[in-house]
Parts: sequence; C-alpha cells; structure tokens
Amino acid sequence: GIQVEQSPPDLILQEGANSTLRCNFSDSVNNLQWFHQNPWGQLINLFYIPSGTKQNGRLSATTVATERYSLLYISSSQTTDSGVYFCAVEEEGGSEKLVFGKGTKLTVNP
Amino acid sequence: NAGVTQTPKFRVLKTGQSMTLLCAQDMNHEYMYWYRQDPGMGLRLIHYSVGEGTTAKGEVPDGYNVSRLKKQNFLLGLESAAPSQTSVYFCASSSRFGLGGGEQFFGPGTRLTVL
Repeated sequence: GIQVEQSPPDLILQEGANSTLRCNFSDSVNNLQWFHQNPWGQLINLFYIPSGTKQNGRLSATTVATERYSLLYISSSQTTDSGVYFCAVEEEGGSEKLVFGKGTKLTVNP
Repeated sequence: NAGVTQTPKFRVLKTGQSMTLLCAQDMNHEYMYWYRQDPGMGLRLIHYSVGEGTTAKGEVPDGYNVSRLKKQNFLLGLESAAPSQTSVYFCASSSRFGLGGGEQFFGPGTRLTVL
C-alpha cells in the first residue's frame, strides 16, 4: 500500500517564527488532507489539497502531485499552533481510505 | 450542525467485557470510518462503510465488528475487550460528491482503557 512519510518528526519554535512541514507519499493520490491535532486530542481539518496551493490566514499548503509531496507552511507561529500535524492521503484508484503519516509534533514557545 | 459526534467520550473496561461505540453524523455523508490512534502514531483504519447496510475491513479489523443500519450512524463493537485495544478511537465521515468530495471530517474521539 501507499507509504506516507512526514518530516521533521519534532519541531520546536519560538513564537513568531516560520516553519515548513513536509509530507512525502509513495504513489499517486486522489485526496490529501492536512490535520492539526491539538493538545486536547481534537483533530482539526486544515486543508483538503490533492493538488495546487491553498491559504488560510497564517497557514498555507502546496501539493505537487507529480512529485509526490506536500508542504504545510506556518507563518508567524503562535503558542496555539502547538500540537501534532498529520498528513493523510487516499491512494489513486478509489481506495476510499485515508492513510496517515506519523505526524510532526510542533511546540511553539512564548 | 453538530458534525460528527461520538459516545461515550471515555470508558474503562475489564478484559473480556464488551461494549459498543456510537458515531453519528448530521451531514448526510455516504461514507463513515472508524480509526484508532495509539501513542506516537498516526491513525489506523479499523473498518469503514460506503453506505447504509455496507461495511468493509480496514488495516486493523481484528477484534472489532461494525454495523451501519442507518445512514447517519456507524457503530463499533468490541465483543471481548483486550488490553491491546486500549486506544483512542476516532470516527469520521465524508461525501464523495461535489467540490471537496472525499474530505473526511472527524469526531472528538473516545478514549478507551482496557484493564
């Protein structure tokens, strides 16, 4: 099955810094989503982005499907951005199932 | 809209006991999913359903059963709980149609401990 690798596994920032999280996947995809899991365990949808670029406030994401990677950019980070960021993909061919990476744990210090 | 809801939020079981987790969605989504999340891991798919009356196995189905008798509900059952089933369980739903078809929306999770 498709493999999803996220990097880095851990990231520590000072408030106000920018960061880039990466998601590599091993095969063509129908669907790619980025999630934020907050310290209370809630999974929050950030982006549905099988290709192209999207922006939402301080966050933006780019997926280059032909090269099998996606990037999540966080600008001017805040302590509330702390948590784990997951990339999840659905393999092309209509498998209808998301496969998750292991996540990037982000800590933003004041 | 409540989105995706899960009951209960927390549960402690003894080995061998049974229980059912309930997931409900009010978005009229066709597809529903059950995942488990273990410490330091991403989510892994247990079972899923592509419509009322249908179910299919995911990556880690052993020890679980599911039912989808109504479109809005998806039940996950543990017939004889084992300590290895201690985990956080998430339900999700998605529509396959329209813009953003396939985007999954998640419930708040159920934290289950099996002693």
